[in-house]
Amino acid sequence: NAGVTQTPKFRILKIGQSMTLQCTQDMNHNYMYWYRQDPGMGLKLIYYSVGAGITDKGEVPNGYNVSRSTTEDFPLRLELAAPSQTSVYFCASRSTGDNYGYTFGSGTRLTVV
Amino acid sequence: GESVGLHLPTLSVQEGDNSIINCAYSNSASDYFIWYKQESGKGPQFIIDIRSNMDKRQGQRVTVLLNKTVKHLSLQIAATQPGDSAVYFCAENIPGNQFYFGTGTSLTVIP
Repeated sequence: NAGVTQTPKFRILKIGQSMTLQCTQDMNHNYMYWYRQDPGMGLKLIYYSVGAGITDKGEVPNGYNVSRSTTEDFPLRLELAAPSQTSVYFCASRSTGDNYGYTFGSGTRLTVV
Repeated sequence: GESVGLHLPTLSVQEGDNSIINCAYSNSASDYFIWYKQESGKGPQFIIDIRSNMDKRQGQRVTVLLNKTVKHLSLQIAATQPGDSAVYFCAENIPGNQFYFGTGTSLTVIP
């Protein structure tokens, strides 16, 4: 199993550009999440999904969109990049049920200039 | 949102000593807790978990203690090694909800 795979690992965007951060998992997990991590800070939830076709906003959803057309994939879309979106983005997944921890991807480091 | 905080943002220990990292949580309904380790440039990795019906759980060189009375969680690392240098997060789960993460404590092991 590859676990949770994120691409790209690094990206520099200009203000106003758009991009999609890809996330895929091969563990057949129903739950998937997108977090951002600013320097010296904890993880903040952007969006999450409890299954294909279902998405919900997290703590900091503004400026982002997601879709969940399959169990495996959970892409995160930035439509009009802003400097405030400079951060490291982590995708995570977990199995159904409360008592299961997350499996995280290795992250995407995004810089908006 | 929920508040999961750590008492100390940084911790330095000598190689071979024991490390203790603390975490406070605010929701008494939280019933499952996890400690994660995040090395530089990598995603968080699961270390150890504990359910609210337990006070202590041991793994390999790590022990998690849970004090529900004061809503406190700690991670003890025995015989700390340079490879233990990382940021450590605690996370709490409220049934039917997602996990909430603390800010993290940066552990530095001095050789």
